[in-house]
Amino acid sequence: GQQVMQIPQYQHVQEGEDFTTYCNSSTTLSNIQWYKQRPGGHPVFLIQLVKSGEVKKQKRLTFQFGEAKKNSSLHITATQTTDVGTYFCAGLLIQGAQKLVFGQGTRLTINP
Amino acid sequence: DTGVSQNPRHKITKRGQNVTFRCDPISEHNRLYWYRQTLGQGPEFLTYFQNEAQLEKSRLLSDRFSAERPKGSFSTLEIQRTEQGDSAMYLCASSLTRRGNTIYFGEGSWLTVV
Repeated sequence: GQQVMQIPQYQHVQEGEDFTTYCNSSTTLSNIQWYKQRPGGHPVFLIQLVKSGEVKKQKRLTFQFGEAKKNSSLHITATQTTDVGTYFCAGLLIQGAQKLVFGQGTRLTINP
Repeated sequence: DTGVSQNPRHKITKRGQNVTFRCDPISEHNRLYWYRQTLGQGPEFLTYFQNEAQLEKSRLLSDRFSAERPKGSFSTLEIQRTEQGDSAMYLCASSLTRRGNTIYFGEGSWLTVV
């Protein structure tokens, strides 16, 4: 079946270091959405990428969507303690039902 | 925009009991989704509605689970004869197809089956 794989599963960094999480789909995606979930919280929408090769920035966060619309990445520059949480990518399938398929998430912890 | 609202936020129930969760989507959102999330995992799709029509159900949704959206607004998710394996957070989300189908989640309903 359709799968969205996300790596790494965990990442621990020193405050100020950069962080990247990668997302790969076995099938072409209509779009990809990124969410952040704080411990004990719910997924909060960050951004949506739709176009092949699209790059979007939100302050220290940079999101990319691959040319083949099968992979994506989130890069955080100079992490801060407020960045702690689990980052999920979620792909909207191009075929079939309109449902988001989530990756397993990357849990980011930061040493202040 | 009041966001997606879910209740109850927490439910502890004995095995074998029935539970029902309610979701109120963002007003005017025509699509409503139910997901389930267990610790350390990403949300797993259960089912979704477009207006009042239930368009897809995951194989995860056994016959003990039923979801309704009778008037195309709020939705309920009922779990009958709960089992310990049903313990999870049940997330509701909604979206508006005109706006690229960005999906917004509620705060979730935590279920613990003892």
